[in-house]
Amino acid sequence: GAGVSQSPSNKVTEKGKDVELRCDPISGHTALYWYRQSLGQGLEFLIYFQGNSAPDKSGLPSDRFSAERTGGSVSTLTIQRTQQEDSAVYLCASSSSFSGNTIYFGEGSWLTVV
Amino acid sequence: RKEVEQDPGPFNVPEGATVAFNCTYSNSASQSFFWYRQDCRKEPKLLMSVYSSGNEDGRFTAQLNRASQYISLLIRDSKLSDSATYLCVVKTSGTYKYIFGTGTRLKVLA
Repeated sequence: GAGVSQSPSNKVTEKGKDVELRCDPISGHTALYWYRQSLGQGLEFLIYFQGNSAPDKSGLPSDRFSAERTGGSVSTLTIQRTQQEDSAVYLCASSSSFSGNTIYFGEGSWLTVV
Repeated sequence: RKEVEQDPGPFNVPEGATVAFNCTYSNSASQSFFWYRQDCRKEPKLLMSVYSSGNEDGRFTAQLNRASQYISLLIRDSKLSDSATYLCVVKTSGTYKYIFGTGTRLKVLA
């Protein structure tokens, strides 16, 4: 598709389970971001990938969170042993130098931990 | 102090009114500036970039004041459909991090 694609769009999981969230960026975009937004809050930076460079993981809140980007395209955010405070919408975004530094978001993955 | 600060609002204005939001940023090395719009339970979408000389897109006007380190968004002739949260976004030169403000809520009332 033309935009950033995320899946699943909604996920309800039990506390303690692992979840994987997927992001397919806009074709040709080399930069990929994961943000988290809790209800009524601002966007919290999680991790950034740029091409084949080492990712910036400085925003990951704990070692239960990890992300990878295979082949410079699709990215997976994994949350292990989920906690209730992990409930949020996880937004993926991508950009390229040709997009004028603009970042484009997917529709997000809404995670609810019960 | 937050890197990007916005008045959370809400700003409640009647249809047809003009409304303005400000956003302040703390890093003088900030290079790129944007306004994004976010509807309830939706992803943020680019409203407009903010250029040094100011720019206009229909009813929307964005301004940058580097000396005072703030950007503004002016909405003229408000429509009901303008009701949303407006996010100020700043990117610092030499980095790839986009810093988002927490947003200003606008409600346009019939």
